[in-house]
Amino acid sequence: AQSVTQPDIHITVSEGASLELRCNYSYGATPYLFWYVQSPGQGLQLLLKYFSGDTLVQGIKGFEAEFKRSQSSFNLRKPSVHWSDAAEYFCAVASGGGADGLTFGKGTHLIIQP
Amino acid sequence: GAGVSQSPSNKVTEKGKDVELRCDPISGHTALYWYRQSLGQGLEFLIYFQGNSAPDKSGLPSDRFSAERTGGSVSTLTIQRTQQEDSAVYLCASSLGAATSTDTQYFGPGTRLTVL
Repeated sequence: AQSVTQPDIHITVSEGASLELRCNYSYGATPYLFWYVQSPGQGLQLLLKYFSGDTLVQGIKGFEAEFKRSQSSFNLRKPSVHWSDAAEYFCAVASGGGADGLTFGKGTHLIIQP
Repeated sequence: GAGVSQSPSNKVTEKGKDVELRCDPISGHTALYWYRQSLGQGLEFLIYFQGNSAPDKSGLPSDRFSAERTGGSVSTLTIQRTQQEDSAVYLCASSLGAATSTDTQYFGPGTRLTVL
């Protein structure tokens, strides 16, 4: 069965600093990978997704993620965070070709310090 | 256009009562998903519909949970004889085409269920 691990429950970053959120997945075949963000009282919003091709994917709000098969990782990055980036971030994986739901990690809570 | 909507936004009920949660997907989206978000379990996939059909119900936590979708649109998730462990936020998502893993799932704001 597929699984996703987000090792960091909380991360605190100063405004303007760079950010990297870690995500490791376990899946036998080529995974379909996603990053979602959930702001307080809001639904989940897709930041970016990876299916194939270029391993560096660009998303909304200035985020990017890099797929590294050798490390089974799909880390999310942003060069300079803004206070509005404070939220819960979820990495997710889906199997290919089937009609199924997403398997989510436990999430990383991002705190932005002024 | 309008996103996925869910009602009610909050529901407080007494243990043993039945509850019904509603999801209105984005117009034209053929696939619909239910998830549960709780502190202990994180985000769990419950069930998926393609049109009005749910091919796999094994993700539902117990036989007290059921879901249906009518007219290829609105879906309801029903929990019978609610228990305190059912307290969670229930999220609905929809996607445009036949539900493949490449389709983006758009999530609603959720229904927060509290069982006293």
